[in-house]
Amino acid sequence: DTEVTQTPKHLVMGMTNKKSLKCEQHMGHRAMYWYKQKAKKPPELMFVYSYEKLSINESVPSRFSPECPNSSLLNLHLHALQPEDSALYLCASSSFITGTHTDTQYFGPGTRLTVL
Amino acid sequence: SQQGEEDPQALSIQEGENATMNCSYKTSINNLQWYRQNSGRGLVHLILIRSNEREKHSGRLRVTLDTSKKSSSLLITASRAADTASYFCATPAGGTSYGKLTFGQGTILTVHP
Repeated sequence: DTEVTQTPKHLVMGMTNKKSLKCEQHMGHRAMYWYKQKAKKPPELMFVYSYEKLSINESVPSRFSPECPNSSLLNLHLHALQPEDSALYLCASSSFITGTHTDTQYFGPGTRLTVL
Repeated sequence: SQQGEEDPQALSIQEGENATMNCSYKTSINNLQWYRQNSGRGLVHLILIRSNEREKHSGRLRVTLDTSKKSSSLLITASRAADTASYFCATPAGGTSYGKLTFGQGTILTVHP
């Protein structure tokens, strides 16, 4: 199974709402990622989890709160978002081999988020 | 600054023609990867070329890497309408930034039937 799943596919929320994005993989990967992608732009890294620990936070505003409850799941909790946070949010995973650099990342289909 | 820069930004060709996309980067790399993204979907990994490799093939794809010029190219031969997508090169930050991939701006490829 080389699939990364993301739910929901689409999400519309108001600026006062709290919502969560979910990501799941069953490839045994120990590194998981959240990216944000605006239209016609490349993905921008937000967070990296390695062995369920947050290893990279790209200075993301605190209204985005990641969580990695176990090695297969990754959540992104959203609170008090702004309209400019509307984007495609992509989850990815990769194997983690100590001492080597980043190899192939497997991406989910994304969640299209609209903040009203 | 963006690690990977790609050109052209957009490429429009007919089915059966070849498509070439280029990527330049700024710092030393361990490997360089190419990804494809169909409109509004997730990215799909196409090929990874390591810094000690000069050329790599996968089906209709050919990737070259010139570390002296800090550049890479992706060639798609005998293109098909289904190849219509955005193509991104990506380079790892390495070091303590394990897991960080920096993507180029991408090339939008349109293949007309």
